[in-house]
Amino acid sequence: DIQMTQSPSSLSASIGDRVTITCRASQSISSYLNWYQQKPGRAPNLLIYAASNLQSGVPSRFSGSGSGTDFTLTIQSLQPEDFATYYCQESYNLHAFGPGTKVDIK
Amino acid sequence: EAQLVESGGGLVQPGGSLRLSCAASELTFSDDWMHWVRQTPGKGLVWVSRISGDGSSITYADSVKGRFTISRDNAKNTLYLQMDSLRAEDTAIYYCARVRGPYYYPMDVWGQGTTVTVSS
Repeated sequence: DIQMTQSPSSLSASIGDRVTITCRASQSISSYLNWYQQKPGRAPNLLIYAASNLQSGVPSRFSGSGSGTDFTLTIQSLQPEDFATYYCQESYNLHAFGPGTKVDIK
Repeated sequence: EAQLVESGGGLVQPGGSLRLSCAASELTFSDDWMHWVRQTPGKGLVWVSRISGDGSSITYADSVKGRFTISRDNAKNTLYLQMDSLRAEDTAIYYCARVRGPYYYPMDVWGQGTTVTVSS
């Protein structure tokens, strides 16, 4: 099975900061990589699909890149509503999720 | 806008059974792959199972294989997860999620989740 890792596991940032989260797959998954945002007590929300495609309704400050085994989620200018946990997920095989990256306020 | 509403969670003893339901509000339910994903309190997301639109293709995570059964009733726009031989480690919030398109597409609509607690 494919294993997903993320780094960092948590980070502290300020409003307006540029934030980068990385995700690595244990084998090549082409571009079958999705990013989700989850806030406490809520279901996950799709942000990016197929590595770099912005889901409808998601602000353009979110972007994704990568292919093969290495992927990146970038938030260009962090907003108050962006403090949350972010998960990557492969949809190449059995939809494994990464362990998550918690973004909180510095 | 599509909506998914889970129900059926609760407290059950180890070795017991529970059936979760996920009601979809849209008319094209039979076109969609559907998934169950769970989340242990304070922990990450874990994929559980998926089923194709017509129910002909089903896959399970190793951790639930042989104990859980996914199914759907397209006439009722409802997805199910029958959970048998429950263990303490099955305690989690269970979400259903939709995939519009082939199975490798993303999960773009999620339910609010239903909580399952396995404890004596």
